[in-house]
Amino acid sequence: GNSVTQMEGPVTLSEEAFLTINCTYTATGYPSLFWYVQYPGEGLQLLLKATKADDKGSNKGFEATYRKETTSFHLEKGSVQVSDSAVYFCALANTGNQFYFGTGTSLTVIP
Amino acid sequence: GAVVSQHPSRVICKSGTSVKIECRSLDFQATTMFWYRQFPKQSLMLMATSNEGSKATYEQGVEKDKFLINHASLTLSTLTVTSAHPEDSSFYICSARPGGGPYEQYFGPGTRLTVT
Repeated sequence: GNSVTQMEGPVTLSEEAFLTINCTYTATGYPSLFWYVQYPGEGLQLLLKATKADDKGSNKGFEATYRKETTSFHLEKGSVQVSDSAVYFCALANTGNQFYFGTGTSLTVIP
Repeated sequence: GAVVSQHPSRVICKSGTSVKIECRSLDFQATTMFWYRQFPKQSLMLMATSNEGSKATYEQGVEKDKFLINHASLTLSTLTVTSAHPEDSSFYICSARPGGGPYEQYFGPGTRLTVT
């Protein structure tokens, strides 16, 4: 089956700290992988994506690399800002175009 | 591009009444739309998948008679919560997939439903 496992939060970091949010998946076939961000009271926004093994998605200083050998898609950012405080969801989409979401990781960045 | 809107953004209704939530793709045609439900501090739960002009496919455990979905056109899908109860209070999010685009889904901003 298809599933996504994310590290549990909440995560609290100081501004300019390094961020890693772990995400691993199980899937049949060759899924595409995504990170979405949700700000308080809002819907999901696509942060980055990767469609095949070894692809690196990047956006707004965030990066994630599709690792087929470890079935992982960890999110990283070198220097977080207060404005990055949000909930981050890892997701995969497979041939049926159905999305499978992780449980979300809440990030709070303090000045 | 690829904007999805939802209306209303917030709604409060009394127990026993019905509420309709609209999901529109503003600048693309969506052959498929999805409805999700999100409980506080939890992930999104897929409720149903709707294809334009056909009946929606509901996920296991979702009452199709309670959550009526109509995908009337390539840019509009509606979710009607019938005979709402307080336990239906939740954040409902729709997403839309452009025709021919693999794996892309664009999410609406969500609708906060509170049933009193």
